[in-house]
Amino acid sequence: TAGITQAPTSQILAAGRSMTLRCTQDMRHNAMYWYRQDLGLGLRLIHYSNTAGTTGKGEVPDGYSVSRANTDDFPLTLASAVPSQTSVYFCASSDSRAGAYNEQFFGPGTRLTVL
Amino acid sequence: AQSVTQLDSQVPVFEEAPVELRCNYSSSVSVYLFWYVQYPNQGLQLLLKYLSGSTLVKGINGFEAEFNKSQTSFHLRKPSVHISDTAEYFCAVSPSLFYGGATNKLIFGTGTLLAVQP
Repeated sequence: TAGITQAPTSQILAAGRSMTLRCTQDMRHNAMYWYRQDLGLGLRLIHYSNTAGTTGKGEVPDGYSVSRANTDDFPLTLASAVPSQTSVYFCASSDSRAGAYNEQFFGPGTRLTVL
Repeated sequence: AQSVTQLDSQVPVFEEAPVELRCNYSSSVSVYLFWYVQYPNQGLQLLLKYLSGSTLVKGINGFEAEFNKSQTSFHLRKPSVHISDTAEYFCAVSPSLFYGGATNKLIFGTGTLLAVQP
């Protein structure tokens, strides 16, 4: 199975433009997450979704929005990109329905540069 | 709230030598602890996790970690490293299910680059 796919792999974007980062999982996991990774800061949670139809804010949600129309897809949108949003973005998913704590599976990442 | 500290940003080590990557956490509630590995230009992969029970946890690729509640630490160890272990290692914490609800929101440390030299 593919697990989690992200698109695009990389992108250069002009400041002020909008962009949607795509994330699709084929594991039927109920929970999905978006992180950004910056040098010296580790990974920080942007938004998450416990299940289709619900979303929540993470540690650094400003400037980003998400939607969860179905189980498999969890797109991240930057409405008006700024240079501080230059980062590597990772999508992840987990299955927390069993009541036990399960690991998060990560996608390969999207490298975004905002100029 | 929880936080994670990885004091070593980079750890150089020779091949076949032992290594310890340090992780300390802060939390007012019980937590779950994790180590993830990130190889160059890849996503993160789970190495091991501590949920409850035995404080010594064994993971993939010969790594192990010990949970020390009194010292709030979860250090990662390997007795003999290989060149292929060169990667970024992240420690992460999450409130236990009782406190955090259904979603396992992870708080990551800033990472430690393990650089294995021949």
